[in-house]
Amino acid sequence: ETGVTQSPTHLIKTRGQQVTLRCSSQSGHNTVSWYQQALGQGPQFIFQYYREEENGRGNFPPRFSGLQFPNYSSELNVNALELDDSALYLCASSPPGGSSYNEQFFGPGTRLTVL
Amino acid sequence: EDQVTQSPEALRLQEGESSSLNCSYTVSGLRGLFWYRQDPGKGPEFLFTLYSAGEEKEKERLKATLTKKESFLHITAPKPEDSATYLCAVGDGGATNKLIFGTGTLLAVQP
Repeated sequence: ETGVTQSPTHLIKTRGQQVTLRCSSQSGHNTVSWYQQALGQGPQFIFQYYREEENGRGNFPPRFSGLQFPNYSSELNVNALELDDSALYLCASSPPGGSSYNEQFFGPGTRLTVL
Repeated sequence: EDQVTQSPEALRLQEGESSSLNCSYTVSGLRGLFWYRQDPGKGPEFLFTLYSAGEEKEKERLKATLTKKESFLHITAPKPEDSATYLCAVGDGGATNKLIFGTGTLLAVQP
């Protein structure tokens, strides 16, 4: 069983640029959530995708956007990068139905550095 | 406001010295209390889910317990490979059941 994968592993951008991060969900999982983790902090919820639609959003501006594809993989796009966007971006997938759908399994993350 | 607080922020143990990590929470509609382990620069690794007060779960040297206001992660006879940051999170019970995380406890186990 393949776990959650993310690409790229590391990324360096300059302020004002745009970035796309990618996530492949765990086999059989149809829900994908994205989190931002600043150094020394816990992950913060950005948004969630279910059936290719945004299913909920945290306290992040509209320049953070996403997509989910029919195979349940997902992208996170960030426009007009700011220095404070430097963080570890985590993707988590959840299985469909039942009590276990609450459990979210994380990928290794993408480390984004904005200069 | 939903909130998760973990203590201590950091803990240094000798190998074999048992201890407990605390996670206290306030959430309007709890749908699961989750423990994760995170190694430096890596994504969180799922450990346990607890759903109701009184519930306990064990995995190797780790045991998680849950009350109505807090959870404990007990570490029995830890080894150096247990060194990591342990994150606690609650599901907020909303449409997404998004996870609200604490800031974690950094555990260092010395040989």
